[in-house]
Amino acid sequence: GESVGLHLPTLSVQEGDNSIINCAYSNSASDYFIWYKQESGKGPQFIIDIRSNMDKRQGQRVTVLLNKTVKHLSLQIAATQPGDSAVYFCAENRDRTGFQKLVFGTGTRLLVSP
Amino acid sequence: SAVISQKPSRDICQRGTSLTIQCQVDSQVTMMFWYRQQPGQSLTLIATANQGSEATYESGFVIDKFPISRPNLTFSTLTVSNMSPEDSSIYLCSGDSGSGNEQFFGPGTRLTVL
Repeated sequence: GESVGLHLPTLSVQEGDNSIINCAYSNSASDYFIWYKQESGKGPQFIIDIRSNMDKRQGQRVTVLLNKTVKHLSLQIAATQPGDSAVYFCAENRDRTGFQKLVFGTGTRLLVSP
Repeated sequence: SAVISQKPSRDICQRGTSLTIQCQVDSQVTMMFWYRQQPGQSLTLIATANQGSEATYESGFVIDKFPISRPNLTFSTLTVSNMSPEDSSIYLCSGDSGSGNEQFFGPGTRLTVL
């Protein structure tokens, strides 16, 4: 079946390093991808999104890269801070009616050491 | 972005009972969704809560087990019926304005069934 998944379940980095979290998807018809951050005891928080007609999008300290050829999505966090420690999920939108019907990946836990 | 609240934030229930979770959005949203997140896992969509009509359920979820109400554009409830320990999970609601913007989530309801 089609799925959205992640390569690494846990990523440990030092404060100040750059972090890269990867995600593979299999539905080539998906047209919208989102990264969410989930801290313990909270709901997912939107970080950044990208549409399928783009390869790269930048936000504040975060960059999302989309490689449609290999169906790969990545989230880059620059100068990682302890407050970035959380579980990160990629999600893809498979509903083309304009409303988001999201399929979530398995998640990567990011641990930032001071 | 809209702010979503859920009640209760957590509950411990006995097998065979039912629990109704409330989701309140501070502004009108077109679509509302209910997700389940089992411990240490990703989010799985249960159903789309449609205002003025029956909810749309995903594969593996049925109305008898998870009845949903959506009386207006800011409120929805999810009932977990005839609970068993396998229903122990975090239940999250989300809202989508339908304008192509992000889907935002509530803080979740942590349910433990004994």
